[in-house]
Amino acid sequence: EAGVAQSPRYKIIEKRQSVAFWCNPISGHATLYWYQQILGQGPKLLIQFQNNGVVDDSQLPKDRFSAERLKGVDSTLKIQPAKLEDSAVYLCASSFKGTGANVLTFGAGSRLTVL
Amino acid sequence: AQKVTQAQTEISVVEKEDVTLDCVYETRDTTYYLFWYKQPPSGELVFLIRRNSFDEQNEISGRYSWNFQKSTSSFNFTITASQVVDSAVYFCALSEENYGQNFVFGPGTRLSVLP
Repeated sequence: EAGVAQSPRYKIIEKRQSVAFWCNPISGHATLYWYQQILGQGPKLLIQFQNNGVVDDSQLPKDRFSAERLKGVDSTLKIQPAKLEDSAVYLCASSFKGTGANVLTFGAGSRLTVL
Repeated sequence: AQKVTQAQTEISVVEKEDVTLDCVYETRDTTYYLFWYKQPPSGELVFLIRRNSFDEQNEISGRYSWNFQKSTSSFNFTITASQVVDSAVYFCALSEENYGQNFVFGPGTRLSVLP
């Protein structure tokens, strides 16, 4: 079974530039999550999708972050304009359903450095 | 609200020592799930175990064991006869069934196993 695919693995940008991250979840997984992991901290949920609908985006800084999951499969997370504090690893995860019991499978992450 | 505390920021042990990683959680739900994930230097979060709130039996898997105690809201993780390959950051996570479908991660404990 193929895992969760993410790209790019690394990205370096200047502040105020824009960046986009892509995630392809495990086939058949209805729920997709984007987490932000700042160095030395635990992952923090940014947005959760169930199929192509948003379940929770309460912690997404909507003035600069946006995410979509067209057709309920792949997802893209965009940051525009980026700030220094956005430097982090952006983790995508998927699960079969969005219930509490489901195990999340994570991708390798996309490391963003904002200069 | 959900909360996970991992009071130990960093632990160093010498190979073959036993080590216990602490996890304390807060939840208002009666049905919830607790997880441990490992994040090796490569960065990908790897699932280790899931327990539900109705099953307080301790679990052993090889050198790993988990002690779940609802009375103290703790879900501790012990590695017996640690090995260098156990060096990683370990995260405890909580997912509620009724009040939220989101994983909430603790801040993590960095374990260094020295040869």
